Amino acid sequence: GESVGLHLPTLSVQEGDNSIINCAYSNSASDYFIWYKQESGKGPQFIIDIRSNMDKRQGQRVTVLLNKTVKHLSLQIAATQPGDSAVYFCAEKEAGTALIFGKGTTLSVSS
Amino acid sequence: GAVVSQHPSWVICKSGTSVKIECRSLDFQATTMFWYRQFPKQSLMLMATSNEGSKATYEQGVEKDKFLINHASLTLSTLTVTSAHPEDSSFYICSARDPNGGGQFFGPGTRLTVL
Repeated sequence: GESVGLHLPTLSVQEGDNSIINCAYSNSASDYFIWYKQESGKGPQFIIDIRSNMDKRQGQRVTVLLNKTVKHLSLQIAATQPGDSAVYFCAEKEAGTALIFGKGTTLSVSS
Repeated sequence: GAVVSQHPSWVICKSGTSVKIECRSLDFQATTMFWYRQFPKQSLMLMATSNEGSKATYEQGVEKDKFLINHASLTLSTLTVTSAHPEDSSFYICSARDPNGGGQFFGPGTRLTVL
């Protein structure tokens, strides 16, 4: 599957591959992190979240990994499908504040 | 899950006019709502935090006199773009925090085009 170590604005994969999207966050006080999917012309759609007391969380076909030491978050999508094509954003939050969004990654899945 | 709606979904206006965008939490009461702005191919940028019954808190660089926010009830916040100019054309997205679960839920966005 495709893997990127640093944030890249675009990622192109073949249908069925595993995708890994990376995000670096900035606030060491952030204790809650979310991955969102945004399709063109729509609002962000919740994918998966993780709290700072965890380093891994799994959902259906998605896994989020958190490395607090280097302030790095990743989203793994298993068996990527054309319907997964969208822009993916990570967001971080410190208690009592609003979600702050990172730079997005455009995922393109070809069949 | 919690649902947040926005109205209108898109609006086109002439330069110099004012536009009001509504954000509603449909199945929960939101004491706190947030307004974001998103330019093409960019991320969501927080504009302001709106608390029911009090003045909104604006992020640095956001003009409070230009972007008027009113959060008069627990289910409704409005953003009024006053004297809109073409550079205000953007995708405006609201979000509401559910005080019970603590989650922050997003509306579908409003596309504003100023001619």
